[in-house]
Amino acid sequence: GAVVSQHPSWVICKSGTSVKIECRSLDFQATTMFWYRQFPKQSLMLMATSNEGSKATYEQGVEKDKFLINHASLTLSTLTVTSAHPEDSSFYICSADMPGGSGNTIYFGEGSWLTVV
Amino acid sequence: QKEVEQNSGPLSVPEGAIASLNCTYSDRGSQSFFWYRQYSGKSPELIMSIYSNGDKEDGRFTAQLNKASQYVSLLIRDSQPSDSATYLCALNTGGFKTIFGAGTRLFVKA
Repeated sequence: GAVVSQHPSWVICKSGTSVKIECRSLDFQATTMFWYRQFPKQSLMLMATSNEGSKATYEQGVEKDKFLINHASLTLSTLTVTSAHPEDSSFYICSADMPGGSGNTIYFGEGSWLTVV
Repeated sequence: QKEVEQNSGPLSVPEGAIASLNCTYSDRGSQSFFWYRQYSGKSPELIMSIYSNGDKEDGRFTAQLNKASQYVSLLIRDSQPSDSATYLCALNTGGFKTIFGAGTRLFVKA
């Protein structure tokens, strides 16, 4: 079964509004979660690393004031796309780092399709 | 040189054949290696992990790791059209960051 849950699966919003996407780790605590964006037929692009209890680390070129990340608990990280525009329409995917005896393993959420009209 | 390199493909194989997907990496300190499958419009799903040199088999999938040559491969036996997807190679050097390749598109012809 799923180990990382992402919600909503798809969302349509009007230009200028904000949208929040949630990412939850199921049955394990994730001190580190990751947010990606993927445009059609392109590779995953890491946007930011979400650290529980501290500020997120953003990749170069990603606007931290536009893509707000909050990781207030060990099982929940949220991504808020503020003042969304049509060019923000994309597939957003989160992942969580699951600790294990042989090292950490990344598990992905189901992804969220965002369409800004 | 990219940290994780994969041929973007598409790799086209007939149904029933063996599909061989390859990945090379640059950091000799890499410890954990993963293969993910991503269907179009879906998020990646983990299919194999490998940590030691040699082969690891799981059903029709076999992961092969050669740390000396810095490559990891994935073999899919008896390929099915449902195996058509993008396969992502990933590795972890022991820190919190897992590095992904750009992926290889596999197309299995019926």
